[in-house]
Amino acid sequence: NAGVTQTPKFRVLKTGQSMTLLCAQDMNHEYMYWYRQDPGMGLRLIHYSVGEGTTAKGEVPDGYNVSRLKKQNFLLGLESAAPSQTSVYFCASSLTWGMNTEAFFGQGTRLTVV
Amino acid sequence: SQQGEEDPQALSIQEGENATMNCSYKTSINNLQWYRQNSGRGLVHLILIRSNEREKHSGRLRVTLDTSKKSSSLLITASRAADTASYFCATDAPRTGNQFYFGTGTSLTVIP
Repeated sequence: NAGVTQTPKFRVLKTGQSMTLLCAQDMNHEYMYWYRQDPGMGLRLIHYSVGEGTTAKGEVPDGYNVSRLKKQNFLLGLESAAPSQTSVYFCASSLTWGMNTEAFFGQGTRLTVV
Repeated sequence: SQQGEEDPQALSIQEGENATMNCSYKTSINNLQWYRQNSGRGLVHLILIRSNEREKHSGRLRVTLDTSKKSSSLLITASRAADTASYFCATDAPRTGNQFYFGTGTSLTVIP
């Protein structure tokens, strides 16, 4: 059982380039999330999804777009990367909404924008 | 934002000692969870405590919740070198959609 898998694990982008981060979960979870983790800031929610075909903005959505075309996949896109988007990105999924159950996290994607 | 804050930011102890870290949050919650993050890895769930609970145990972990003070503590007893990690509390925010909100974390170093 793989859990939550993120690809790629590392990436270096030039300012203005675009990329897509892929998150896949095999636990049949309805709810999926994208976070970014910066030193001293903890994890901040970028976007989330409450089911296939749905997305919603989190705490820091600017500069990112997401799609949930299939239940098991949640994609995070950067259309025009900026140095401020240098961060570690984590995807997570959960069975229920509202923190009634635990969230499962991927291993993270370390993104550097130069 | 509904963000918890852990205290202390960093903690260094000898193997075998107990480690206590605290989490404070701003508004009322339904649930609070603690997570561990080893260096370079994703977060791993440790324990969930609901707002109507005051204390929960899981192995060497003891979590308390004081909703009147809007705070929680995580106690790790008889620490091991393998406990070296960052520890985060996560709270929900019923008024703003119940998403997970994470604190800034406590970095724990257990010296063998």
